Amino acid sequence: QKEVEQDPGPLSVPEGAIVSLNCTYSNSAFQYFMWYRQYSRKGPELLMYTYSSGNKEDGRFTAQVDKSSKYISLFIRDSQPSDSATYLCAMSATGNQFYFGTGTSLTVIP
Amino acid sequence: DSGVTQTPKHLITATGQRVTLRCSPRSGDLSVYWYQQSLDQGLQFLIQYYNGEERAKGNILERFSAQQFPDLHSELNLSSLELGDSALYFCASSQLGLAGGTQYFGPGTRLLVL
Repeated sequence: QKEVEQDPGPLSVPEGAIVSLNCTYSNSAFQYFMWYRQYSRKGPELLMYTYSSGNKEDGRFTAQVDKSSKYISLFIRDSQPSDSATYLCAMSATGNQFYFGTGTSLTVIP
Repeated sequence: DSGVTQTPKHLITATGQRVTLRCSPRSGDLSVYWYQQSLDQGLQFLIQYYNGEERAKGNILERFSAQQFPDLHSELNLSSLELGDSALYFCASSQLGLAGGTQYFGPGTRLLVL
């Protein structure tokens, strides 16, 4: 069983839609949770970071962590064509070794 | 531009060969991470260095090795290359090497083993 599971998609939504991206994990020791955005196989860019459980909001992006269910989510409101990218979840127990999901490919159609 | 530089951008080599990938972290960042990204495996953490010392090791093969030099640049050495080593190799840096500290990724080195 992989440490982190992420639906690869692809996901295609109309502009303005709310997008929900999700990851599940198996290691209950994970306490650092991150979402990255990656354009066209370029270097990933950190979008959101959450420590332990709870929600975090930054502009159109909201990250949620449910440690009891071992489930994290990223919501994108009012999605834009520029949001079209691959979204990677990542998590760590120690803060040193990071485990990434395989990424979800998102296309926002104008 | 993240401020992390990686060279070369592309590398084509043959099986059995050895290559060296180079990474220069952002100015002031002490920690360097190496990752391998392939289509079927996603982004795999290989190894982390902090201020010249190995801090954490992930799924790094014995044929691979890395080091961080006093000027904080890092090199990833891949030897006895196999077809399956073809992938994108990313370097990332962060200031303190702590989770939640933003990791800034370089543009990657695309390795093709023929």
